[in-house]
Amino acid sequence: DAKTTQPNSMESNEEEPVHLPCNHSTISGTDYIHWYRQLPSQGPEYVIHGLTSNVNNRMASLAIAEDRKSSTLILHRATLRDAAVYYCILRGEETSGSRLTFGEGTQLTVNP
Amino acid sequence: DAGVIQSPRHEVTEMGQEVTLRCKPISGHNSLFWYRQTMMRGLELLIYFNNNVPIDDSGMPEDRFSAKMPNASFSTLKIQPSEPRDSAVYFCASSLTGDTLSSYNSPLHFGNGTRLTVT
Repeated sequence: DAKTTQPNSMESNEEEPVHLPCNHSTISGTDYIHWYRQLPSQGPEYVIHGLTSNVNNRMASLAIAEDRKSSTLILHRATLRDAAVYYCILRGEETSGSRLTFGEGTQLTVNP
Repeated sequence: DAGVIQSPRHEVTEMGQEVTLRCKPISGHNSLFWYRQTMMRGLELLIYFNNNVPIDDSGMPEDRFSAKMPNASFSTLKIQPSEPRDSAVYFCASSLTGDTLSSYNSPLHFGNGTRLTVT
């Protein structure tokens, strides 16, 4: 499976933007970039996904590099509720099929 | 929508006993996934079904584990006999997948998991 690399942990202050990076240098042309997050004592939760273009939804924005070898999840104004583990996952025919293969993710701490 | 419903939320059992975990996917979803999460190994895919048919069970640890999906609205994961190393949080997830392309687009919706402790 194509791998992703994320920092183990990041810290942010409440109401400030957060940029969570992800490297995926071996991404294939058909891989989608998915982001999930897991709050304490809950199951993973879908955040956003994209293929080539930047994407926005009510939760976050996804910025994808032109060569697609990296991406950044952007939380525009962090809240305490955004403290979670964030997973960047590649999903596509060559990589994983319909499966989601989770790595270790980034533990985001939000300070009040 | 109630989301993916798993039961029980917590299960404590003794080594050697049979354990059955249950999952009700979101109505209309046709793919179902079972994951296991431990501190040591993180989130691991055990098995997934598409249209009630097991597609990939390569993540099932050993013959003690079995999963069934008798209909579109119900799935079970059974461990028999259970062992202390099976202690983990087990998650069920569902998604709606149509053609191949949409399979890679459709988000997975996870339940809140079953925390299993085997003593």
